Amino acid sequence: DAGVTQSPTHLIKTRGQHVTLRCSPISGHKSVSWYQQVLGQGPQFIFQYYEKEERGRGNFPDRFSARQFPNYSSELNVNALLLGDSALYLCASSPWSRSTGELFFGEGSRLTVL
Amino acid sequence: AQTVTQSQPEMSVQEAETVTLSCTYDTSENNYYLFWYKQPPSRQMILVIRQEAYKQQNATENRFSVNFQKAAKSFSLKISDSQLGDTAMYFCAFMKQAFGNEKLTFGTGTRLTIIP
Repeated sequence: DAGVTQSPTHLIKTRGQHVTLRCSPISGHKSVSWYQQVLGQGPQFIFQYYEKEERGRGNFPDRFSARQFPNYSSELNVNALLLGDSALYLCASSPWSRSTGELFFGEGSRLTVL
Repeated sequence: AQTVTQSQPEMSVQEAETVTLSCTYDTSENNYYLFWYKQPPSRQMILVIRQEAYKQQNATENRFSVNFQKAAKSFSLKISDSQLGDTAMYFCAFMKQAFGNEKLTFGTGTRLTIIP
């Protein structure tokens, strides 16, 4: 079975640009979360989505937005990129129902902002 | 708000030895989960072990075990008979146990190197 898949794996943008990152959860998983991992730090929670609704939001500016589609895949959008947005962006999924708290992570999208 | 602290940025140990990674946390919640996640150089984060706060018995998964001290808010990970494949970043993480909540709060991680 396929795990959580993310695309693109690497990308380079310049300041002020916009980026869209994509995530496909494990088949049967209905909840998707996004995390930002700056080099040398632990992941920071950005968003959680379930059934296309936002269920949680971390302490990130409004430049960050996300959505979830009917097939449970998700997009993370970041506008007006800053150098500090350079990070590994991780997507995680869970079945939601009968949740044990375990999240299943993708390999991430490495964003570099120049 | 919850905080998770890992005070050991880096550790190294000889293959086959035992190593313990430390983690402390702060919360006012009574029901929660604690996790250790492993992030190998290939980057994909995987779950090592999970503990539910209401359970007094320490969780074990093969060579991995935890020492959960709820009153002290301490959650250490012991790796026995360490193997080269254990080389990775290890993150301690907290999740409040509440319907619909799946927010993980991570520590800063411990880079573990297993020396052949």
